[in-house]
Amino acid sequence: GNSVTQMEGPVTLSEEAFLTINCTYTATGYPSLFWYVQYPGEGLQLLLKATKADDKGSNKGFEATYRKETTSFHLEKGSVQVSDSAVYFCAAEYGNKLVFGAGTILRVKS
Amino acid sequence: EAGVAQSPRYKIIEKRQSVAFWCNPISGHATLYWYQQILGQGPKLLIQFQNNGVVDDSQLPKDRFSAERLKGVDSTLKIQPAKLEDSAVYLCASSLGGQGIYGYTFGSGTRLTVV
Repeated sequence: GNSVTQMEGPVTLSEEAFLTINCTYTATGYPSLFWYVQYPGEGLQLLLKATKADDKGSNKGFEATYRKETTSFHLEKGSVQVSDSAVYFCAAEYGNKLVFGAGTILRVKS
Repeated sequence: EAGVAQSPRYKIIEKRQSVAFWCNPISGHATLYWYQQILGQGPKLLIQFQNNGVVDDSQLPKDRFSAERLKGVDSTLKIQPAKLEDSAVYLCASSLGGQGIYGYTFGSGTRLTVV
């Protein structure tokens, strides 16, 4: 079946470091791709999305580019802050429903 | 715009008891989803409604889980009898439509602990 795979965490970075969280998806058609963030004690919030190949989603300094050739949608941020500490989920939309990766815990130290 | 409302926020029950969760989606959202998020894992779809009809319940353990969406608005998810492995956060989400155009809005979830 369809699946999304993300790099395992936790990822621990110092403030202002560069962040990459890898995400790949199964290539059944051309799903829309999403990154969601879950802060401690809160629900899932949409961070960014891309709906077709080569689209770049961006929000709050985070970016991800829809790469059809590598079936990837890696999340990047040039300079992380302590407030970015959260769990990040990559998701793909297949048939009007979301399939999620397992999530990656990000911890940013000051 | 009000978000997706869920209740209760937390629930602790003993195994073999029954429990019910409630969700009120964003007004006008035709599609409603229930997801199960076990600790350390990503959310997994349990059931999808379009208005008051079931679109996909292929991953719903039907021997113990049931869900309904009467009148195409509110929805309830029930577990009877509960097992220890049902301990998870149950998320409700709603959407105007698919294909990534309209997006999905999630509620804060109900955290269920089965002891």
